Amino acid sequence: QKEVEQDPGPLSVPEGAIVSLNCTYSNSAFQYFMWYRQYSRKGPELLMYTYSSGNKEDGRFTAQVDKSSKYISLFIRDSQPSDSATYLCAMSADTGRRALTFGSGTRLQVQP
Amino acid sequence: DVKVTQSSRYLVKRTGEKVFLECVQDMDHENMFWYRQDPGLGLRLIYFSYDVKMKEKGDIPEGYSVSREKKERFSLILESASTNQTSMYLCASSFSGRGGNQPQHFGDGTRLSIL
Repeated sequence: QKEVEQDPGPLSVPEGAIVSLNCTYSNSAFQYFMWYRQYSRKGPELLMYTYSSGNKEDGRFTAQVDKSSKYISLFIRDSQPSDSATYLCAMSADTGRRALTFGSGTRLQVQP
Repeated sequence: DVKVTQSSRYLVKRTGEKVFLECVQDMDHENMFWYRQDPGLGLRLIYFSYDVKMKEKGDIPEGYSVSREKKERFSLILESASTNQTSMYLCASSFSGRGGNQPQHFGDGTRLSIL
């Protein structure tokens, strides 16, 4: 079983829809949670960075962490065709391994 | 803005060749990373470096080596390229922190084909 699970999609939604992207994880030591967006033929770019449980909002994007359920979400409001990309979750613990553990990514298509 | 630059966007090499992938970052980050990205497998860590001349193996180091002689530059070496090393290679960098908690910044990748 992978340490971080993410539905690969593709997820297809109409423009203006609210999108929910999710990851589950098994390592209870994870404290730092990130979401990256990756356009085709480009590297991942950091979207959201959160620590521990709770919500964080940035414009149309909201990141939510539920450590008790080992579940994180990224919500995109008023989705746009330019949001079409692959979304990767990533996480890490406070100690130990210095690198992030990534989900395999969910491909999102926003139809105009 | 953080800039991570990978020397080549596309590269075609032959089986058995020694291949060098170069990465440079301009933010004085202590940590640098090499990943490969394959469909359905996500990003897998090959090696990382937390200081000049320091390195640690990641999840899939076999067939690869790395070099970090200067803080800003991190090289990935395929000692004898094989067809199963055809992949997208991504370099990343981050500030040092406890564990791996600092966000990483990525280059745009090198799509490597081994024929």
